[in-house]
Amino acid sequence: QSALTQPASVSGSPGQSITISCTGSNNDIGSYDLVSWYQQHPGKVPKMIIYEVTKRPSGVSNRFSGSKSANTASLTISGLQAEDEATYYCCSYVDPTKVIFGGGTEVTV
Amino acid sequence: EVQLVESGGAVVQPGGSLRLSCVASGLNFDDYSMHWVRQPPGKGLEWVGLISKKSDKRYYADSVRGRFTISRDNRRDSLYLQLNSLRREDTALYYCVKEGGNWNDFDYWGRGTLVTVSS
Repeated sequence: QSALTQPASVSGSPGQSITISCTGSNNDIGSYDLVSWYQQHPGKVPKMIIYEVTKRPSGVSNRFSGSKSANTASLTISGLQAEDEATYYCCSYVDPTKVIFGGGTEVTV
Repeated sequence: EVQLVESGGAVVQPGGSLRLSCVASGLNFDDYSMHWVRQPPGKGLEWVGLISKKSDKRYYADSVRGRFTISRDNRRDSLYLQLNSLRREDTALYYCVKEGGNWNDFDYWGRGTLVTVSS
């Protein structure tokens, strides 16, 4: 498996909610609650915003939420703001000994 | 404050070798597994590999296994990546990353060091 599958781009208006999907397989997302999400602004270092499917690191806005169903994980951004414009990557543990990222989703506000 | 500072990136010819370093501060370095993640210019993130706290376990992505080697020196709070048999597709910004508890919880990142493979 080369990468988890994410939409290339998602857009929304300020204040709206958007959801980014991340599709994997029974060897990764489907078998483990080990999905994380990263936000990367242009020219900046990635930042973890969700780990273990639904948990937010300290300091991350509660406008970001994660979920999972079967082989697909999702990131929802509610109350969309201009500062949310970035590329978002999902990431999962892969059986037996690997980590895999999604291809990235560019969010436009 | 946790800081990870990479160095060693350069322009290297195909087939060449390079050693990247990462110095950590603001944490008990030997309490954490460490990873390398890379990002080709204008493209997405790719996991390269990890090394456990005591260096007893090392795992690699299929794309680099047998060519890259991760090591660490806990006395120097340092992480290393030896890159051999380099290919053009290895051109990327290489990030040193701290694991937060699970394999894919990357809670601290360095700013990266650029490796360019070109003749």
